[in-house]
Formats: sequence, C-alpha cells, structure tokens
Amino acid sequence: DADVTQTPRNRITKTGKRIMLECSQTKGHDRMYWYRQDPGLGLRLIYYSFDVKDINKGEISDGYSVSRQAQAKFSLSLESAIPNQTALYFCATSDPQDRYNEQFFGPGTRLTVL
Amino acid sequence: QQQVKQSPQSLIVQKGGIPIINCAYENTAFDYFPWYQQFPGKGPALLIAIRPDVSEKKEGRFTISFNKSAKQFSLHIMDSQPGDSATYFCAASTIGSNYKLTFGKGTLLTVNP
Repeated sequence: DADVTQTPRNRITKTGKRIMLECSQTKGHDRMYWYRQDPGLGLRLIYYSFDVKDINKGEISDGYSVSRQAQAKFSLSLESAIPNQTALYFCATSDPQDRYNEQFFGPGTRLTVL
Repeated sequence: QQQVKQSPQSLIVQKGGIPIINCAYENTAFDYFPWYQQFPGKGPALLIAIRPDVSEKKEGRFTISFNKSAKQFSLHIMDSQPGDSATYFCAASTIGSNYKLTFGKGTLLTVNP
C-alpha cells in the first residue's frame, strides 16, 4: 500500500541538540507538509513543499528548517532544540490534482526535549 | 487569529449516544469543510467532508450539518461505539486554489461501553 512513513517514531533529546525528523512517502504526491500537534492547540503547519524546488514557511516556522531531498522525502530539522518544541510531529502529503486537497498523514514522531 | 473554532475540547458519552462536535469559521472564502479522525498513536485521516451547497451529508453513522448563514458546521455520530473514541478535527479550505487546511483545535471523544 502507498504510505507515509516517519522516522524516528519517538525521540528524547536535550536542549541545544540538533534533531532531524524524516518523512518518506510512496504515494507519488508532490505536496508535502510538516505539522506539530500540541494538546489543546490542534495541528499547526510548520513548513510545506509543493515540489522539490518549492519550500514555504507555515504559521510556526521559527526554530525549524526543512529539506526536500526528493519527491518522496521531506525532512524537518530543529537546529537547537528547546523544551517548548516538545510535541507530536506529523508529516502529510497531498496530490496537487486533487482539488479538495485531501491530506494523508504519517503516524507521527513524538519528540521530547529535556 | 483562529479561523476555525471547535468545541467542545473533550466529550464523554455512553455507547449508543449521539455526540455532537461544533465548529465555526470566519473566512467566507472557505468552501470545503472536512473532518479528520485521529486514533491514539496514529495520524489524522479524512473521515467525511461537506461543501456549502448542501446542508447535510451522511456517511454511515457520521453526519455533517452545515449552516452557511451562521458560518457553522457540526459532526454528529449516531449510535456511537467505543471504537469511535478518537480525536476529531474539523477543518476548512478553499477548493482548488489553496494548499492550506485550517484546522480546529480538536475534540477528544470518549465513548464508554
């Protein structure tokens, strides 16, 4: 089955460390997204990419960077992790041919910054 | 600025009850309103969606009611089951022209046996 996968699924790190979260997809979708989920705050968009050469900031991009290595791969980096970046992170994809823009989410990465 | 307001934040019902989750939006350019369902340890997945040219849409036990003049829409779950326990997110977007889904903050639904 075409899928969206995220690695690692869980990560505990310390303040100041550099962290990379990876996302891979076999859906063949051009659009990819990174969200974070916090209790009571819902899903907030960090970055999105329409293709390999197109990367855009979302509503909460400060402290994060991304890399689109290929159509199928989209990585999120925390250059210097801080405790308030403790959250559940989701990668998602969508098909630009789908005018309703249904998004397909990965299983998430739970990140804890001590 | 929160463009989609969702309530309640959490909801507990007994099996067979009809939980109702409400959302309100501000941006009149929105013309597509999906609901996503998220089980523990999983990512959200599309459950059901509605366009504002209809006032109601049913898929199985799930129904969306839409009130365009009030800029509100709601999800009803008929004959709720413990397996419906999940977090539900409403969302809004503009068909065809907008990459972005604007999500509500989510409702944690618990259906007790």
